[in-house]
Amino acid sequence: GENVEQHPSTLSVQEGDSAVIKCTYSDSASNYFPWYKQELGKGPQLIIDIRSNVGEKKDQRIAVTLNKTAKHFSLHITETQPEDSAVYFCAASPGNQFYFGTGTSLTVIP
Amino acid sequence: GAGVSQTPSNKVTEKGKYVELRCDPISGHTALYWYRQSLGQGPEFLIYFQGTGAADDSGLPNDRFFAVRPEGSVSTLKIQRTERGDSAVYLCASSLRGRGNTGELFFGEGSRLTVL
Repeated sequence: GENVEQHPSTLSVQEGDSAVIKCTYSDSASNYFPWYKQELGKGPQLIIDIRSNVGEKKDQRIAVTLNKTAKHFSLHITETQPEDSAVYFCAASPGNQFYFGTGTSLTVIP
Repeated sequence: GAGVSQTPSNKVTEKGKYVELRCDPISGHTALYWYRQSLGQGPEFLIYFQGTGAADDSGLPNDRFFAVRPEGSVSTLKIQRTERGDSAVYLCASSLRGRGNTGELFFGEGSRLTVL
């Protein structure tokens, strides 16, 4: 099955700086790559996603890049704000299934 | 709201007891997923329903775990003879699958199970 690895496990940045989280996947059949944000005591919420026919997607301060050849994708958050502090999960989907990374705990220091 | 609803939000039980966790998906969502999340880990797949049938139950850890979705809407995850290692947050997610949709998963807030 699919194996998704995520790094780093924790990340601290100063407010206003950028944050980058990286994931790799193993199954070349994966064609959909969502990113989820999870706040304490809540379920994960989708923040951005990308399909395998696109190399980059941007939504305001958030962007995702995908390198299908290398089987890795990254989340970029610019101009970080304290409310960006949360746990972020990447996922890869080869069809009906979703496989999640182990999460990155992001702390934005005011 | 019209999001995914999970009950109970918290469940404390004793080792060996039977537990049921309920998920009410977003109306009209045909796909329903159960995940288990341990502290500091990502969601771990348990089972996926498309309509009433379990399309993939390969993530269920053993035969103590079972899930149903008899009418293609509400689903119940059932755990028999609970063990301390079953303690985790059980997340339910639903998705509207079909031509042209993104397959986005909408998660509930989870049911935290503690087995003493």
